[in-house]
Amino acid sequence: DVKVTQSSRYLVKRTGEKVFLECVQDMDHENMFWYRQDPGLGLRLIYFSYDVKMKEKGDIPEGYSVSREKKERFSLILESASTNQTSMYLCASSLMNYGYTFGSGTRLTVV
Amino acid sequence: GQQLNQSPQSMFIQEGEDVSMNCTSSSIFNTWLWYKQDPGEGPVLLIALYKAGELTSNGRLTAQFGITRKDSFLNISASIPSDVGIYFCAGRKETSGSRLTFGEGTQLTVNP
Repeated sequence: DVKVTQSSRYLVKRTGEKVFLECVQDMDHENMFWYRQDPGLGLRLIYFSYDVKMKEKGDIPEGYSVSREKKERFSLILESASTNQTSMYLCASSLMNYGYTFGSGTRLTVV
Repeated sequence: GQQLNQSPQSMFIQEGEDVSMNCTSSSIFNTWLWYKQDPGEGPVLLIALYKAGELTSNGRLTAQFGITRKDSFLNISASIPSDVGIYFCAGRKETSGSRLTFGEGTQLTVNP
């Protein structure tokens, strides 16, 4: 089974901190995605990547950046965390045009 | 942004009842997917549909890819308490590559 591993289940950070959320997949998938999930707003796409060193903005990229230096790893970076970035963050990967496999999520609280 | 209308937003049912939820869009999709998210976890793929009219089952779950390619439904028969969670539909357009569009989810509560 494909495994998508997010480095932290829960994270508490201070306003203004630089935050790194890490995601690793073990099945050689080309595509990787970062979503945030908030009550009543569903899943919103932040950034995605089709290949190493390649990235594309999703629907809500402001305040975020990403890094994909290796095929298996896709990092989400909050340059200067703010309280409105408190959310559940979900990483996903997929092979070509098949369905996504999601990680278990990171619940980030910015205080 | 969101282009899939998923309904209902929430359901409260008794154990043993059947459940039906659906997704509609004004756009045509060439793939429909249904996911379930348990509390505190990431969504897990339940059923994938790749052809218009396709009807696929996975245990007590049945999903259909609408003939018009603009809708899909998911049925759960004889619900049990562990069916509790959020159910998401997702669609892929021919022009969107690997990117999926998600519905806003249906929160299902099953009372024992």
